Amino acid sequence: EVQLVESGGGLVQPGRSLRLSCAASGFTFDDYAMHWVRQAPGKGLEWVSGISWNSGSIGYADSVKGRFTISRDNAKNSLYLQMNSLRAEDTALYYCAKDKSGEGLGAFDIWGQGTMVTVSS
Amino acid sequence: AIRITQSPSSLSASTGDRVTITCRASQGISSYLAWYQQKPGKAPKLLIYAASTLQSGVPSRFSGSGSGTDFTLTISCLQSEDFATYYCQQYYSYPQGFGGGTKVEIK
Repeated sequence: EVQLVESGGGLVQPGRSLRLSCAASGFTFDDYAMHWVRQAPGKGLEWVSGISWNSGSIGYADSVKGRFTISRDNAKNSLYLQMNSLRAEDTALYYCAKDKSGEGLGAFDIWGQGTMVTVSS
Repeated sequence: AIRITQSPSSLSASTGDRVTITCRASQGISSYLAWYQQKPGKAPKLLIYAASTLQSGVPSRFSGSGSGTDFTLTISCLQSEDFATYYCQQYYSYPQGFGGGTKVEIK
């Protein structure tokens, strides 16, 4: 079964850090680009970051550039998002999503169920 | 960054109606546009990619059209299970982006 399972969310104080993980199974992980997408409570979808199959192409939303770092470990079939200097506006459900392409120029055909990040003092 | 403007933000329709949702990109994105459906408490589901290609397993009442800057999602005969929120997405270049969403409600 093709599956993405996110973990690492929780309650964190403003200014602190958190690392999200996404475990992939059921497909050849290192053939595809991967992305993080977030959704604040009651709001729409916001693309956060994407990484190509070999980590050669990486992109970030302007809202997280310089604070978040995306990475992947193809040997472990895992995607990560290191989030530093967290702000209240980063509070959201964070989804991991699989790209249909290897370079990040495809739609997202597989999504996880998300992990909630709450930034509050 | 490329801006995506989606309209309407909500609409009311009845089962059997034909529904159209539009997205406009602030610059040309060729056919690098996708449409997703999201139901409450669930992850988004891919419906259409490359502006007009139906994702495997998606009913044929869903269709997409357009290229360049203007795109349309059409549901030809609305079913009860289609009441949800729909998003378009451009994946032409980083940073990628989604439209603001269209909530399709029961009239």
